[in-house]
Amino acid sequence: SQQGEEDPQALSIQEGENATMNCSYKTSINNLQWYRQNSGRGLVHLILIRSNEREKHSGRLRVTLDTSKKSSSLLITASRAADTASYFCATERDFGNEKLTFGTGTRLTIIP
Amino acid sequence: DAMVIQNPRYQVTQFGKPVTLSCSQTLNHNVMYWYQQKSSQAPKLLFHYYDKDFNNEADTPDNFQSRRPNTSFCFLDIRSPGLGDAAMYLCATARLAGEEQYFGPGTRLTVT
Repeated sequence: SQQGEEDPQALSIQEGENATMNCSYKTSINNLQWYRQNSGRGLVHLILIRSNEREKHSGRLRVTLDTSKKSSSLLITASRAADTASYFCATERDFGNEKLTFGTGTRLTIIP
Repeated sequence: DAMVIQNPRYQVTQFGKPVTLSCSQTLNHNVMYWYQQKSSQAPKLLFHYYDKDFNNEADTPDNFQSRRPNTSFCFLDIRSPGLGDAAMYLCATARLAGEEQYFGPGTRLTVT
């Protein structure tokens, strides 16, 4: 069964604004990862946050994790046209599980 | 540069005609994955290898088979493609279970 669901399904913002995407999941996890996918391409890993972490930063990206609410958010600050892509969260349920379960994705469009 | 390579990028096959998709990696990663992704959907895990150990997902059709002859290569065989098998097929690798996955560019399969 699908582990994660993302909200919103689609988001359009003006270049320079911040974009926030949310991910909810159903079972306990070992880690949660965010990936970006440009149209017709493979996925690119953005950031990994472990279950004992609450916040992580990487450049213009900020990820939070609330295990009590089983949710995570991805914030992209000062958005650029090149950020236009689909963003997926993925969860590893148990340590050493070897596989990720992907969420439904958020389609982000940055309007120049 | 170390990477995950998928060939071909585009594959057209006829209904019922066997087809093989290939994936190679120069990362020397232990884990290799095959995903199926249909338009506007999340990647769906078909199976994965941890070294030589094969792990099939319960809902992967018998029509789909895989081979990993060595660390670098992994193949996806579709024995009798149906129209519903048209999709993007993504190969990914990970150094260890649960770590970030590195994706290839994907093979878009069309079934006529």
